[in-house]
Amino acid sequence: DSGVTQTPKHLITATGQRVTLRCSPRSGDLSVYWYQQSLDQGLQFLIQYYNGEERAKGNILERFSAQQFPDLHSELNLSSLELGDSALYFCASSVEGGKAEAFFGQGTRLTVV
Amino acid sequence: GENVEQHPSTLSVQEGDSAVIKCTYSDSASNYFPWYKQELGKGPQLIIDIRSNVGEKKDQRIAVTLNKTAKHFSLHITETQPEDSAVYFCAAVKAAGNKLTFGGGTRVLVKP
Repeated sequence: DSGVTQTPKHLITATGQRVTLRCSPRSGDLSVYWYQQSLDQGLQFLIQYYNGEERAKGNILERFSAQQFPDLHSELNLSSLELGDSALYFCASSVEGGKAEAFFGQGTRLTVV
Repeated sequence: GENVEQHPSTLSVQEGDSAVIKCTYSDSASNYFPWYKQELGKGPQLIIDIRSNVGEKKDQRIAVTLNKTAKHFSLHITETQPEDSAVYFCAAVKAAGNKLTFGGGTRVLVKP
């Protein structure tokens, strides 16, 4: 158990809908990262938050947004969903950005039908 | 930005043999290089890492080497076992940035 908790584990929704994925980082970790993994693909960086502030942005679609709350949990919002958004979404956390180890949650499997 | 290339994409070895996965990175500012193991249906698990001030690190049957001049780093698994079968990802982290840039992954199959 990495200590990073993601909910829900599975999500099935229709095209055009909006969903929210939740991540609770390890206790004490200030940085949260979101990654997308499509079928048999690598890990694509979406966005990073550090202590409530956006730190880095990857190839995140405009339909996607994220935030980190004062209790350090983070949410990834995906809207106007398309079939191609079906993927595993992972959250990772670390103590101090890239200077420390990053630990991943078990992911949320999103299926858009 | 940083780019990480990983080879091979698939690797099949006989149980007991060694497996080697190689990665190259593009940004000389990268200074931290973790390796992750991902089993089916699970999140990536950190298995070993190396920092730029170290050339080699070993933990039981796994070892990592880093060549900063050539911008290469490698994962070595000795005496492979069926439970080593998984997808392995290398990553690089820049000194000034924080995100992990991953290689494309290597699917390792250890045949009994």
